[in-house]
Amino acid sequence: AQSVTQPDIHITVSEGASLELRCNYSYGATPYLFWYVQSPGQGLQLLLKYFSGDTLVQGIKGFEAEFKRSQSSFNLRKPSVHWSDAAEYFCAVGAGNNRKLIWGLGTSLAVNP
Amino acid sequence: EAGVAQSPRYKIIEKRQSVAFWCNPISGHATLYWYQQILGQGPKLLIQFQNNGVVDDSQLPKDRFSAERLKGVDSTLKIQPAKLEDSAVYLCASSPRQEGEAFFGQGTRLTVV
Repeated sequence: AQSVTQPDIHITVSEGASLELRCNYSYGATPYLFWYVQSPGQGLQLLLKYFSGDTLVQGIKGFEAEFKRSQSSFNLRKPSVHWSDAAEYFCAVGAGNNRKLIWGLGTSLAVNP
Repeated sequence: EAGVAQSPRYKIIEKRQSVAFWCNPISGHATLYWYQQILGQGPKLLIQFQNNGVVDDSQLPKDRFSAERLKGVDSTLKIQPAKLEDSAVYLCASSPRQEGEAFFGQGTRLTVV
Protein backbone atom coordinates (compact mmCIF):
# COMPACT_ATOMS: atom_id res chain seq x y z
CA ALA A 1 0.00 0.00 0.00
CA GLN A 2 1.13 3.52 -0.66
CA SER A 3 2.32 5.47 2.36
CA VAL A 4 4.25 8.58 3.31
CA THR A 5 6.45 8.80 6.38
CA GLN A 6 7.72 11.97 7.95
CA PRO A 7 10.01 10.64 10.68
CA ASP A 8 10.33 13.88 12.61
CA ILE A 9 7.19 14.97 14.42
CA HIS A 10 8.75 18.15 15.74
CA ILE A 11 11.95 20.04 14.91
CA THR A 12 13.40 23.15 16.50
CA VAL A 13 16.10 25.17 14.78
CA SER A 14 17.71 28.53 15.42
CA GLU A 15 17.04 31.39 13.07
CA GLY A 16 19.68 31.45 10.36
CA ALA A 17 20.46 27.76 10.69
CA SER A 18 19.97 25.28 7.88
CA LEU A 19 16.97 22.99 7.77
CA GLU A 20 16.22 19.56 6.40
CA LEU A 21 12.84 17.89 6.77
CA ARG A 22 12.67 14.24 5.86
CA CYS A 23 10.06 12.48 3.78
CA ASN A 24 10.03 8.84 2.72
CA TYR A 25 7.38 7.21 0.59
CA SER A 26 6.27 3.77 -0.42
CA TYR A 27 4.95 3.51 -3.96
CA GLY A 28 5.65 1.12 -6.79
CA ALA A 29 5.97 3.60 -9.62
CA THR A 30 7.43 7.07 -9.92
CA PRO A 31 5.17 9.25 -7.83
CA TYR A 32 4.22 12.86 -7.99
CA LEU A 33 5.74 14.48 -4.91
CA PHE A 34 4.71 17.59 -3.04
CA TRP A 35 5.64 19.65 -0.02
CA TYR A 36 3.00 21.87 1.57
CA VAL A 37 3.25 24.31 4.46
CA GLN A 38 0.47 25.17 6.88
CA SER A 39 0.67 28.19 9.14
CA PRO A 40 -1.58 28.28 12.22
CA GLY A 41 -5.23 28.75 11.28
CA GLN A 42 -4.45 28.69 7.58
CA GLY A 43 -4.95 26.33 4.71
CA LEU A 44 -2.13 24.49 3.02
CA GLN A 45 0.20 26.27 0.64
CA LEU A 46 2.23 24.46 -1.97
CA LEU A 47 5.98 24.93 -1.51
CA LEU A 48 7.19 22.82 -4.40
CA LYS A 49 6.45 19.76 -6.48
CA TYR A 50 8.22 17.06 -8.45
CA PHE A 51 6.64 15.34 -11.42
CA SER A 52 9.65 14.39 -13.55
CA GLY A 53 12.98 15.70 -14.84
CA ASP A 54 15.61 17.36 -12.68
CA THR A 55 15.53 15.71 -9.28
CA LEU A 56 16.45 18.91 -7.46
CA VAL A 57 13.45 21.21 -7.44
CA GLN A 58 13.23 24.79 -6.31
CA GLY A 59 10.20 26.16 -4.55
CA ILE A 60 8.90 29.31 -3.00
CA LYS A 61 10.32 31.03 0.08
CA GLY A 62 13.83 29.71 -0.61
CA PHE A 63 12.96 26.03 -0.18
CA GLU A 64 14.28 23.20 -2.31
CA ALA A 65 13.79 19.44 -2.31
CA GLU A 66 15.65 16.53 -3.84
CA PHE A 67 14.02 13.38 -5.16
CA LYS A 68 16.16 10.31 -4.55
CA ARG A 69 14.61 7.27 -6.16
CA SER A 70 17.10 4.83 -4.60
CA GLN A 71 16.14 6.01 -1.13
CA SER A 72 12.44 6.66 -1.85
CA SER A 73 12.93 10.07 -0.33
CA PHE A 74 11.97 13.65 -1.06
CA ASN A 75 13.63 15.74 1.65
CA LEU A 76 12.94 19.44 1.99
CA ARG A 77 15.82 21.84 2.63
CA LYS A 78 16.43 25.49 3.30
CA PRO A 79 19.91 26.95 3.81
CA SER A 80 18.90 29.66 6.29
CA VAL A 81 15.66 29.54 8.26
CA HIS A 82 13.66 32.65 9.09
CA TRP A 83 11.36 33.03 12.09
CA SER A 84 8.40 33.22 9.72
CA ASP A 85 9.12 29.65 8.57
CA ALA A 86 7.69 28.29 11.82
CA ALA A 87 4.75 26.17 10.67
CA GLU A 88 3.59 22.64 9.97
CA TYR A 89 5.12 20.99 6.91
CA PHE A 90 3.43 18.16 5.04
CA CYS A 91 4.86 15.84 2.44
CA ALA A 92 2.39 14.28 0.01
CA VAL A 93 2.59 11.71 -2.75
CA GLY A 94 0.27 11.55 -5.74
CA ALA A 95 -0.38 7.90 -6.46
CA GLY A 96 -2.64 5.79 -8.61
CA ASN A 97 -4.49 6.57 -11.79
CA ASN A 98 -6.09 9.72 -10.39
CA ARG A 99 -2.93 10.71 -8.49
CA LYS A 100 -4.76 10.64 -5.18
CA LEU A 101 -2.70 12.50 -2.59
CA ILE A 102 -1.34 10.39 0.23
CA TRP A 103 -0.26 12.61 3.11
CA GLY A 104 2.36 12.32 5.80
CA LEU A 105 1.46 13.22 9.36
CA GLY A 106 3.46 16.42 9.19
CA THR A 107 6.51 17.94 10.85
CA SER A 108 6.06 20.87 13.17
CA LEU A 109 8.89 23.40 12.84
CA ALA A 110 9.74 25.84 15.61
CA VAL A 111 12.32 28.58 15.08
CA ASN A 112 14.28 30.03 17.98
CA PRO A 113 15.35 33.67 17.71
CA GLU B 1 -6.32 35.21 -9.44
CA ALA B 2 -8.79 34.62 -6.64
CA GLY B 3 -8.08 31.63 -4.42
CA VAL B 4 -10.35 28.91 -3.13
CA ALA B 5 -13.11 30.45 -1.03
CA GLN B 6 -14.71 28.62 1.87
CA SER B 7 -17.42 29.56 4.31
CA PRO B 8 -18.03 29.73 7.13
CA ARG B 9 -14.58 29.99 8.74
CA TYR B 10 -15.81 28.70 12.08
CA LYS B 11 -18.84 26.73 13.20
CA ILE B 12 -19.90 25.40 16.57
CA ILE B 13 -22.82 22.98 16.74
CA GLU B 14 -24.24 20.47 19.15
CA LYS B 15 -24.01 16.76 18.44
CA ARG B 16 -26.82 15.38 16.34
CA GLN B 17 -27.30 18.75 14.62
CA SER B 18 -26.61 19.22 10.93
CA VAL B 19 -24.11 21.54 9.29
CA ALA B 20 -23.12 22.53 5.76
CA PHE B 21 -19.94 23.95 4.35
CA TRP B 22 -19.55 25.78 1.07
CA CYS B 23 -16.61 25.95 -1.32
CA ASN B 24 -15.98 28.02 -4.42
CA PRO B 25 -12.91 26.73 -6.27
CA ILE B 26 -10.51 28.65 -8.43
CA SER B 27 -12.15 29.52 -11.72
CA GLY B 28 -11.57 26.89 -14.36
CA HIS B 29 -10.37 24.19 -11.98
CA ALA B 30 -12.05 20.94 -12.89
CA THR B 31 -10.98 18.96 -9.85
CA LEU B 32 -12.33 19.72 -6.39
CA TYR B 33 -11.44 18.02 -3.12
CA TRP B 34 -12.87 17.99 0.38
CA TYR B 35 -10.47 17.04 3.14
CA GLN B 36 -10.93 16.51 6.85
CA GLN B 37 -8.00 17.50 9.05
CA ILE B 38 -8.12 16.48 12.68
CA LEU B 39 -5.82 18.39 15.00
CA GLY B 40 -2.29 17.04 14.84
CA GLN B 41 -2.89 14.96 11.73
CA GLY B 42 -2.49 15.29 8.00
CA PRO B 43 -5.45 15.91 5.73
CA LYS B 44 -7.73 12.98 4.98
CA LEU B 45 -9.48 12.96 1.61
CA LEU B 46 -13.23 12.75 1.97
CA ILE B 47 -14.29 13.18 -1.63
CA GLN B 48 -12.83 14.17 -4.98
CA PHE B 49 -14.87 15.57 -7.86
CA GLN B 50 -13.86 15.82 -11.49
CA ASN B 51 -16.22 18.47 -12.86
CA ASN B 52 -19.52 17.38 -11.30
CA GLY B 53 -18.73 13.67 -11.14
CA VAL B 54 -17.34 11.83 -8.12
CA VAL B 55 -13.88 10.31 -8.66
CA ASP B 56 -13.20 9.05 -5.15
CA ASP B 57 -15.43 8.97 -2.09
CA SER B 58 -14.01 5.84 -0.51
CA GLN B 59 -13.31 7.56 2.82
CA LEU B 60 -16.53 9.54 3.05
CA PRO B 61 -18.77 8.30 5.91
CA LYS B 62 -21.81 8.11 3.70
CA ASP B 63 -24.23 7.43 6.53
CA ARG B 64 -23.78 11.00 7.72
CA PHE B 65 -21.70 12.92 5.19
CA SER B 66 -22.83 14.03 1.76
CA ALA B 67 -21.34 16.30 -0.85
CA GLU B 68 -22.40 17.70 -4.15
CA ARG B 69 -20.93 19.82 -6.86
CA LEU B 70 -23.70 21.21 -8.97
CA LYS B 71 -22.77 22.45 -12.44
CA GLY B 72 -19.16 21.49 -11.78
CA VAL B 73 -18.30 24.68 -9.92
CA ASP B 74 -19.32 25.33 -6.30
CA SER B 75 -19.57 22.51 -3.84
CA THR B 76 -21.24 21.88 -0.51
CA LEU B 77 -20.35 19.32 2.14
CA LYS B 78 -23.02 18.37 4.66
CA ILE B 79 -22.89 16.46 7.91
CA GLN B 80 -26.14 15.12 9.33
CA PRO B 81 -26.19 14.25 12.18
CA ALA B 82 -22.88 15.46 13.55
CA LYS B 83 -20.87 13.50 16.09
CA LEU B 84 -18.23 14.71 18.53
CA GLU B 85 -15.50 13.04 16.48
CA ASP B 86 -16.41 15.20 13.48
CA SER B 87 -14.69 18.13 15.17
CA ALA B 88 -11.98 19.05 12.69
CA VAL B 89 -10.97 21.52 10.03
CA TYR B 90 -12.66 20.89 6.70
CA LEU B 91 -10.50 21.93 3.80
CA CYS B 92 -11.58 22.46 0.25
CA ALA B 93 -9.02 22.37 -2.53
CA SER B 94 -9.11 22.61 -6.29
CA SER B 95 -6.80 21.68 -9.11
CA PRO B 96 -6.74 22.44 -12.81
CA ARG B 97 -6.41 18.74 -13.53
CA GLN B 98 -6.56 15.47 -11.64
CA GLU B 99 -2.84 14.98 -11.36
CA GLY B 100 -1.92 18.57 -10.66
CA GLU B 101 -1.12 20.32 -7.45
CA ALA B 102 -4.01 21.24 -5.20
CA PHE B 103 -4.75 24.80 -4.11
CA PHE B 104 -6.35 25.00 -0.69
CA GLY B 105 -8.86 27.29 0.93
CA GLN B 106 -8.42 28.47 4.51
CA GLY B 107 -10.76 25.83 5.81
CA THR B 108 -13.76 25.68 8.11
CA ARG B 109 -13.08 24.81 11.72
CA LEU B 110 -15.97 22.74 13.06
CA THR B 111 -16.44 22.15 16.75
CA VAL B 112 -19.11 19.67 17.82
CA VAL B 113 -20.10 19.93 21.48
